[in-house]
Amino acid sequence: GQQLNQSPQSMFIQEGEDVSMNCTSSSIFNTWLWYKQEPGEGPVLLIALYKAGELTSNGRLTAQFGITRKDSFLNISASIPSDVGIYFCAGPPRGNEKLTFGTGTRLTIIP
Amino acid sequence: EAGVAQSPRYKIIEKRQSVAFWCNPISGHATLYWYQQILGQGPKLLIQFQNNGVVDDSQLPKDRFSAERLKGVDSTLKIQPAKLEDSAVYLCASCLPGENIQYFGAGTRLSVL
Repeated sequence: GQQLNQSPQSMFIQEGEDVSMNCTSSSIFNTWLWYKQEPGEGPVLLIALYKAGELTSNGRLTAQFGITRKDSFLNISASIPSDVGIYFCAGPPRGNEKLTFGTGTRLTIIP
Repeated sequence: EAGVAQSPRYKIIEKRQSVAFWCNPISGHATLYWYQQILGQGPKLLIQFQNNGVVDDSQLPKDRFSAERLKGVDSTLKIQPAKLEDSAVYLCASCLPGENIQYFGAGTRLSVL
């Protein structure tokens, strides 16, 4: 089945550092969604992208819809302790309504 | 606006026992999903409802899993009998018809011993 590969798998960074993560697919996506999941909670939507090349920000978070439509990137600037969690990319492959989730990037912040 | 409600939050059972989870979606969201999330993985779709009808249950292990949404609002997911490998978080999500943005509940963490 469809797979979304996220990298890195995990990150350990110092508070205040910037973070970059990405998500790649073998298929074309029409929509890219970035979710964050904290321990004991369900995923919460951070950013939605709808057009190739689109760059969208939500506070310190910025996400981009790759030009090839097979990848997406998420950046977090000036990380703070509450950024800890697992970040998932997700999207419906073209021609399919179902959401496919990535493998996740676990972010740990060292005070 | 109230979010997706799920209960219970935690459940511990022994293998071969039965268990049921409940979900109340966001008001007005006709589309409801059940996902299984195994530790260290992303959510995997089990079943999708549109109102009270099943849209996709191709990934639901129908020999032991069942789900219903009789009145098109609340939904229940049942496992009977449970196996050790069913230990996971069961997430419910809902969205407006035709939209891709799904809103998730906090999930039910199931441990099968």
